Amino acid sequence: QKEVEQDPGPLSVPEGAIVSLNCTYSNSAFQYFMWYRQYSRKGPELLMYTYSSGNKEDGRFTAQVDKSSKYISLFIRDSQPSDSATYLCAMSEASGGSYIPTFGRGTSLIVHP
Amino acid sequence: GAVVSQHPSWVICKSGTSVKIECRSLDFQATTMFWYRQFPKQSLMLMATSNEGSKATYEQGVEKDKFLINHASLTLSTLTVTSAHPEDSSFYICSARKPPDGMSSGNTIYFGEGSWLTVV
Repeated sequence: QKEVEQDPGPLSVPEGAIVSLNCTYSNSAFQYFMWYRQYSRKGPELLMYTYSSGNKEDGRFTAQVDKSSKYISLFIRDSQPSDSATYLCAMSEASGGSYIPTFGRGTSLIVHP
Repeated sequence: GAVVSQHPSWVICKSGTSVKIECRSLDFQATTMFWYRQFPKQSLMLMATSNEGSKATYEQGVEKDKFLINHASLTLSTLTVTSAHPEDSSFYICSARKPPDGMSSGNTIYFGEGSWLTVV
């Protein structure tokens, strides 16, 4: 079992839909959780950064962390065609352990007009 | 967000030659930088962790003599692909960890734009 599991998709939704992207993980030491967006042929761009459990909102994006279930989510409201990209989750341990982030394989999202 | 610049964004080289890729953190000092390789439609594959002033730590299966990493300053890390071959053609991406400040606790990783290497 991989440390971080992420469905590669593709996930295809109509414009305006609410998108839910998810990752599960097995390492209970993970404390820092990140979501990145990667457009084709570009480097990943940091979207959201969350420490420990809870929700964090930034514009149309909401990140949720449920450490008890080892499950994180990224919600995109009012999705736009420009949101079409690959979304990678990443996580790393707290201080004292490794700061090397572990990435999911990414979910390809397609928002069609 | 923080800015990490990678150069060149694309390069074509002849088989047997060496290519250097630079990664710079433009608005913060990065004690740790990471180098990744990404194949089409695949996830990021960590190649090595680069720590300023010390030798890089390579992941299993990555040839350290093939992929030379130097992190000479807090804002610059370089990856040199030596004696490049067509199978080294790939998308190489660096990232840098931003130290703690008033806004974050230090585990925020920012990526460069990536470098496309084609070996002919």
